[in-house]
Amino acid sequence: NAGVTQTPKFRILKIGQSMTLQCAQDMNHNYMYWYRQDPGMGLKLIYYSVGAGITDKGEVPNGYNVSRSTTEDFPLRLELAAPSQTSVYFCASSQVGDTIYFGEGSWLTVV
Amino acid sequence: DAKTTQPPSMDCAEGRAANLPCNHSTISGNEYVYWYRQIHSQGPQYIIHGLKNNETNEMASLIITEDRKSSTLILPHATLRDTAVYYCIVRDSGGSNYKLTFGKGTLLTVNP
Repeated sequence: NAGVTQTPKFRILKIGQSMTLQCAQDMNHNYMYWYRQDPGMGLKLIYYSVGAGITDKGEVPNGYNVSRSTTEDFPLRLELAAPSQTSVYFCASSQVGDTIYFGEGSWLTVV
Repeated sequence: DAKTTQPPSMDCAEGRAANLPCNHSTISGNEYVYWYRQIHSQGPQYIIHGLKNNETNEMASLIITEDRKSSTLILPHATLRDTAVYYCIVRDSGGSNYKLTFGKGTLLTVNP
């Protein structure tokens, strides 16, 4: 049981490039989340999903897209990367009303 | 979501109990109080949660006031490895809101 797995752990992007952060969970959780955390700040919700085929915006969705074709996977896509998207990204999952479990994070730098 | 207020930082001596307060005066009847911590920019780690009654597990104890407007997380014997940012969050147990909103938390520094 690996929990929540994120890849890649580190990535450097050039301005204008695109990439996808992968997230997978093996706990059969319905709910999955993407957060970002800027240096010295708290976590901010980007997107979340309450089940396969259903996604919704969080606090800071601009510049990102998500999809949820399976229960296990919740990829986050960055289109036209900008320096403001330099951050640490955390994926998380939970069951209804239950504890939320987090991945170890993906460090992204846009130069 | 109910808002929470925590002190930005606290210090504690190693081996002593660390008592971290949280104010959630606008909490509603079906909202749980959750505590997480984050060490060195790792993913947040679940500690404990409760609704009305005090709770205890192998990591910590959670004391919730009778009016539920505030709570205290207690680490009974703090170690250096407990140095982290601690987040107090209130969350609906199963209504339409599944989001978990983090504030800035309390930076607990455990000193030798």
